[in-house]
Amino acid sequence: DQQVKQNSPSLSVQEGRISILNCDYTNSMFDYFLWYKKYPAEGPTFLISISSIKDKNEDGRFTVFLNKSAKHLSLHIVPSQPGDSAVYFCAASGRNSGNTPLVFGKGTRLSVIA
Amino acid sequence: EPEVTQTPSHQVTQMGQEVILRCVPISNHLYFYWYRQILGQKVEFLVSFYNNEISEKSEIFDDQFSVERPDGSNFTLKIRSTKLEDSAMYFCASSLTAGNVDTQYFGPGTRLTVL
Repeated sequence: DQQVKQNSPSLSVQEGRISILNCDYTNSMFDYFLWYKKYPAEGPTFLISISSIKDKNEDGRFTVFLNKSAKHLSLHIVPSQPGDSAVYFCAASGRNSGNTPLVFGKGTRLSVIA
Repeated sequence: EPEVTQTPSHQVTQMGQEVILRCVPISNHLYFYWYRQILGQKVEFLVSFYNNEISEKSEIFDDQFSVERPDGSNFTLKIRSTKLEDSAMYFCASSLTAGNVDTQYFGPGTRLTVL
C-alpha cells in the first residue's frame, strides 16, 4: 500500500536547467509534506516542507508546490547544480495526536550533469 | 549546527543474536524516532518515543524490538533475536516538538547486516 508515490526512480538534468521531482499521495489525512535529500552512506537531510494550508513554499533554489485537489506535490530546483545529485525522498504526515510518523516515497535519484 | 549521531556505523551480527543500535538525538529535542530502509526499498517508520514511552509504533515493530532512553542523551533500539530480514539501514531521528508541522532530523544511519 503505497500512500506516497514517486513514480520516477531516476531523473537526469543538465547543470543550470530546472529539475522537477514529482510526488503523489493517496491519504487525504496527510497535511504536511517534506522533501529530504539523501547522499550515499548518509541519513536523509531535510530540504524543504509545506503545510497543506499553502500551495507554494520557496527557499533559495528550491520551491515546493502543492496541489491538494490532485494530491500532488513537486519540488523544483533551479538552477540545478552537480552537487544536487542525490536521492530525493518525498514524505508526508497526517493529523495524528502526539508524534506523527513520516510516510516516505521510494525516492527519485537525481543526476545533474555538468 | 546540531546533528543526530548514531553508532556504530556498521554492525555485523549472527542470526539469533541481540543487537543494540545507539543514537544521540539533538540535545533540546523531545521526540525521537527509529526508521529503517531495507536495501532498494523505501524508508519505513518503526517507532516514536516521547516522555520515556512509546507514542506510536508500526507493524514492523514487533516483540523482538524495544527502545529505551537510558540516560539524558542516548536513545537505543534493541533487536532481541535478529533475523536475516532485519538487515537494513536503521535511521534515528528527532524533533523539537510533536505534531505534523515539525521537522524530523535524521542521523547518518547504522547499517545492520545479519548473517
